[in-house]
Amino acid sequence: DVKVTQSSRYLVKRTGEKVFLECVQDMDHENMFWYRQDPGLGLRLIYFSYDVKMKEKGDIPEGYSVSREKKERFSLILESASTNQTSMYLCASSLGSVRETEAFFGQGTRLTVV
Amino acid sequence: ELKVEQNPLFLSMQEGKNYTIYCNYSTTSDRLYWYRQDPGKSLESLFVLLSNGAVKQEGRLMASLDTKARLSTLHITAAVHDLSATYFCAVDKIGGSEKLVFGKGTKLTVNP
Repeated sequence: DVKVTQSSRYLVKRTGEKVFLECVQDMDHENMFWYRQDPGLGLRLIYFSYDVKMKEKGDIPEGYSVSREKKERFSLILESASTNQTSMYLCASSLGSVRETEAFFGQGTRLTVV
Repeated sequence: ELKVEQNPLFLSMQEGKNYTIYCNYSTTSDRLYWYRQDPGKSLESLFVLLSNGAVKQEGRLMASLDTKARLSTLHITAAVHDLSATYFCAVDKIGGSEKLVFGKGTKLTVNP
């Protein structure tokens, strides 16, 4: 079974803190994604990566950065957390574009910024 | 820009009834996916639809894809309470980078 593991289920951070959300997948997938999920807005793509050290901005990258130093790990970084970044964060991974497979999701991290 | 619209966003139905959730998308795409999310949980893959006319069924759920109309449907047959969840469709952008764009989801409540 594909496993996508996010490092924390729940996090509470203070405004201005630097926050790291970690995601690890064990199926040698090329693609990894970070989404945030908010009520009424669905899932919105923050960043994705299609290879080690490669990244592309999604629809809402402002206030976030990412790091992919190893194929299995994709980190989301909030450089200076703000209250409007309180949300559920979901990591996903999938095989590359030529192969027909869906994305598999981690369990999510509910981040509260106070 | 690829946009994905689902309707309805909220659906309350009685057990035993049939209903359809619709997913429209704005530009040509490679693949369409349906996911299920239970409250407080992550997303679980239901179906992957790869070509025009594709139809997949699992239990009381059947998904279909019409790429010419840019429309996918998720049909629920004889609903049961266990199907209560939020259902998302997602579409891959064609060409270039991989990018999954999601609809806002349909919250389905099946009442006894």
